[in-house]
Amino acid sequence: NAGVTQTPKFQVLKTGQSMTLQCAQDMNHNSMYWYRQDPGMGLRLIYYSASEGTTDKGEVPNGYNVSRLNKREFSLRLESAAPSQTSVYFCASSETAPSGLVTDTQYFGPGTRLTVL
Amino acid sequence: LAKTTQPISMDSYEGQEVNITCSHNNIATNDYITWYQQFPSQGPRFIIQGYKTKVTNEVASLFIPADRKSSTLSLPRVSLSDTAVYYCLVEGANQGGKLIFGQGTELSVKP
Repeated sequence: NAGVTQTPKFQVLKTGQSMTLQCAQDMNHNSMYWYRQDPGMGLRLIYYSASEGTTDKGEVPNGYNVSRLNKREFSLRLESAAPSQTSVYFCASSETAPSGLVTDTQYFGPGTRLTVL
Repeated sequence: LAKTTQPISMDSYEGQEVNITCSHNNIATNDYITWYQQFPSQGPRFIIQGYKTKVTNEVASLFIPADRKSSTLSLPRVSLSDTAVYYCLVEGANQGGKLIFGQGTELSVKP
């Protein structure tokens, strides 16, 4: 049981290049999330997917697109990378909380360190 | 989603009890209080969650007063390996799991 896995671990891009960050979970979770973390800051939600086939914007979605490929996989795409997107990207997953009950624990992957030159 | 305020940093020594307080004045009736821990170069990890009074697990205790406008994470007898950033979050059930992470509290445990 690997939990949440992310690839690649590190990536360096030039301004204007595109790339896709991959995320997969093996816990049969319904919900998946993408966050970014800048130095000395907390995490900020980019996009999330409450269930297979649905995606919604988070706090900082500009410059990103996502695809919920199936229940296990949720990818994040940078179409035209910019230096402002230099950050550490974390993927997370959780079970969908039933209405009115305690909120779900989110399980995070190890992160992808992205540098855009 | 309620905003939280917590100290930017704290120092402690091995074997001491550490209490990190978080204020969340605008907490709503349906909101829960959750704490995550993040080690350097790793993703955050869930520590504890509560709604009111006291919750205890094998890692920490969470104290929540009756008005729920603040909460205190208590780490008993910390060790060097507890050096991490601790995030206090307030989240409502059925809000799509959207978490708002503040800057967190950077705890440094010294020998």
